[in-house]
Amino acid sequence: QKEVEQDPGPLSVPEGAIVSLNCTYSNSAFQYFMWYRQYSRKGPELLMYTYSSGNKEDGRFTAQVDKSSKYISLFIRDSQPSDSATYLCAMSAGGDSNYQLIWGAGTKLIIKP
Amino acid sequence: DSGVTQTPKHLITATGQRVTLRCSPRSGDLSVYWYQQSLDQGLQFLIQYYNGEERAKGNILERFSAQQFPDLHSELNLSSLELGDSALYFCASSVGLADTQYFGPGTRLTVL
Repeated sequence: QKEVEQDPGPLSVPEGAIVSLNCTYSNSAFQYFMWYRQYSRKGPELLMYTYSSGNKEDGRFTAQVDKSSKYISLFIRDSQPSDSATYLCAMSAGGDSNYQLIWGAGTKLIIKP
Repeated sequence: DSGVTQTPKHLITATGQRVTLRCSPRSGDLSVYWYQQSLDQGLQFLIQYYNGEERAKGNILERFSAQQFPDLHSELNLSSLELGDSALYFCASSVGLADTQYFGPGTRLTVL
């Protein structure tokens, strides 16, 4: 079993829909959680960064962490065709010896006009 | 633009050859990471350097090696290339050991 599981999709939704992207993980020590967006053949770019549990909102994007369920989510409101990309989750435990980022496989998102 | 630069953008070579990929981190960043991404695959962590020293190794083949120079730029050397080495190679940098990683645009390697 992988440490971080992420459905590769593709997930296809109509423009304007609310999108929910998710990752599950097995290591209860993870406390730093990130979402990256990667357009085709481009370098990943950081979208959201959260520490521990709770929600964080930035414009149309909301990141949610549920440490009790070992589950993180990224919500995209009013989705646009320009949101079509692969979304990767990444997480780490932090500290001097557990700081390596563990990556999900990425979910390919397609927003249909 | 993340501030991380990678050269070359594209590289086409033959099996058995050796190539060198170059990465310049963002100004002030001490950590450099190398990743491999094959077609429609996830990111595979290869190696991390921090201030010139190797700090972490992932699934890096023995045919691959890397180093970080005193000016903090890094090079990834790939030798005895095989068809399966064709992929996008990304470099990322961060301020410290565990900070947010910023990715470069990648080098697309094609091995024929």
